[in-house]
Amino acid sequence: DVKVTQSSRYLVKRTGEKVFLECVQDMDHENMFWYRQDPGLGLRLIYFSYDVKMKEKGDIPEGYSVSREKKERFSLILESASTNQTSMYLCASTDRKYGYTFGSGTRLTVV
Amino acid sequence: AQSVAQPEDQVNVAEGNPLTVKCTYSVSGNPYLFWYVQYPNRGLQFLLKYITGDNLVKGSYGFEAEFNKSQTSFHLKKPSALVSDSALYFCAYYNTNAGKSTFGDGTTLTVKP
Repeated sequence: DVKVTQSSRYLVKRTGEKVFLECVQDMDHENMFWYRQDPGLGLRLIYFSYDVKMKEKGDIPEGYSVSREKKERFSLILESASTNQTSMYLCASTDRKYGYTFGSGTRLTVV
Repeated sequence: AQSVAQPEDQVNVAEGNPLTVKCTYSVSGNPYLFWYVQYPNRGLQFLLKYITGDNLVKGSYGFEAEFNKSQTSFHLKKPSALVSDSALYFCAYYNTNAGKSTFGDGTTLTVKP
């Protein structure tokens, strides 16, 4: 019954590594999102996408990029991981009527 | 700017007592409002929504919320709290023009036995 799948629940990477976080949804949603969640800072939007090959910057895009080659897959890329990118990353999709469906999250630790 | 606010960081209630988690909104036009719940180390789960119609909305796990236009509020309620209701709750507004949601900062609900 899982509808939004994030490839990893926990991830540990080294500073400077290129990191890929994958998200796949099976609901044929057009809109997909990447958030990071940090204590005391709530949910902050990194990037979102309205359609294949389209992307829009959110509130905190610096240090991140995204890729959407297929409708069901939205990838978040950390070009050169840094310790301040240690966080919980949440992927979501929506059909604009029924709210967001979130993945289970990826807790990334950069050492 | 259009937004939602959750005025309480933390709400504590005893098991069996009614609970309320507050949300106010500042939105022009007809708001699409949502509540989500997040359990530890998990993603957010949809609880309920208000788009139009009846001001009292019923959702998952016995939760309900009342849309109050005059007070610009959308408080989450449950008549009898369970320890298992302890979690982080988010109120959200969906901007249909922008195609994305704005979330409140979240309220941690703790239900004590």
